[in-house]
Amino acid sequence: GAGVSQSPRYKVAKRGQDVALRCDPISGHVSLFWYQQALGQGPEFLTYFQNEAQLDKSGLPSDRFFAERPEGSVSTLKIQRTQQEDSAVYLCASNPGGDQPQHFGDGTRLSIL
Amino acid sequence: DQQVKQNSPSLSVQEGRISILNCDYTNSMFDYFLWYKKYPAEGPTFLISISSIKDKNEDGRFTVFLNKSAKHLSLHIVPSQPGDSAVYFCAASVHTGKLIFGQGTTLQVKP
Repeated sequence: GAGVSQSPRYKVAKRGQDVALRCDPISGHVSLFWYQQALGQGPEFLTYFQNEAQLDKSGLPSDRFFAERPEGSVSTLKIQRTQQEDSAVYLCASNPGGDQPQHFGDGTRLSIL
Repeated sequence: DQQVKQNSPSLSVQEGRISILNCDYTNSMFDYFLWYKKYPAEGPTFLISISSIKDKNEDGRFTVFLNKSAKHLSLHIVPSQPGDSAVYFCAASVHTGKLIFGQGTTLQVKP
């Protein structure tokens, strides 16, 4: 497909477990963004990559959250020692850079029991 | 501190009429604004954008208006169709970086 692909679509984990969420951006898109969306709210920024460089991680809520994009394409968001408040939809977006809109994947719904 | 606000949680309009969705922002550094549409269990879909050097942008049935002095953004949908029923988010950014989103407005278009 030509869009942003995220996996898994749904993830259930027990409190304290580590999880990894994957994002496959649109081919050739330089910029990649991660957002967290709580129920009934708008998406909130987590972190931003330009190619493999993580240029902004100001939105990561704690040091339990870690993101990487080692080869400048696929990105992984990892959450260690998950807590119930981590339950949310995690959205990934990409764009070619510059004055272009971000295109979103369908997200991963994470539920922490 | 909510930098982007959509004060109407919901809006209901009749098919064929105009839908007007509103958005206010506080950060005068924002220079790029976008509207996204979201269906349940899907990611946001880009609709239309406007840069701060313009005050209007049109794409088919969708028009976005920007009033910089009032820090106000609006999306007009004419004519509204039942398939437009969704949650609409406005978003803003500085230099096309990270997006700051509003809370969303649920639009229902009645046949």
